[in-house]
Amino acid sequence: AQSVAQPEDQVNVAEGNPLTVKCTYSVSGNPYLFWYVQYPNRGLQFLLKYITGDNLVKGSYGFEAEFNKSQTSFHLKKPSALVSDSALYFCAVRDNAGKSTFGDGTTLTVKP
Amino acid sequence: DGGITQSPKYLFRKEGQNVTLSCEQNLNHDAMYWYRQDPGQGLRLIYYSQIVNDFQKGDIAEGYSVSREKKESFPLTVTSAQKNPTAFYLCATAGLPVDTQYFGPGTRLTVL
Repeated sequence: AQSVAQPEDQVNVAEGNPLTVKCTYSVSGNPYLFWYVQYPNRGLQFLLKYITGDNLVKGSYGFEAEFNKSQTSFHLKKPSALVSDSALYFCAVRDNAGKSTFGDGTTLTVKP
Repeated sequence: DGGITQSPKYLFRKEGQNVTLSCEQNLNHDAMYWYRQDPGQGLRLIYYSQIVNDFQKGDIAEGYSVSREKKESFPLTVTSAQKNPTAFYLCATAGLPVDTQYFGPGTRLTVL
């Protein structure tokens, strides 16, 4: 069975500092990996994805993620955090049959 | 939220009643998904469908039922067999074979 782990329930950073939100996964076959962001009482919004190709993926709002096959990780990063980045972030993996599994989410708080 | 409509936004149900949540999309996506979100538990997959008239159980299908009679619609029925149905329900769609999921705004169901 596939799974996603987000080991940190909460990440706190100061505005202007770099941020990292961690994600590790387990899946049979090729991994299709996604990051989403959720604001309170809203649906999820897509940030970026890894399907194939370059291990460094660039996405919306200045976010990027690095795919590491040997460590089965797909950490989300941003060089300089903004207060408006504060939200709930989800990592997800999908298999070839279309089934998606999400992590439990990480709450990111960026303080001024 | 794009071309995905979920209705109603808030729903109240008495114990022992079945209730149906609506999900409609105009994105022409083949795949549709239902997730349940509880605080601190992330998203859990209830059912998903990749083509009309076909669907698969997710990780927590017990007490739920779905139909996929049209490409645009994927209603979810929460039956009286679901022991703890109070939650935030999210519908999503995706293109195939493996593409980004797009989420609706969600329906918050409360059992009184």
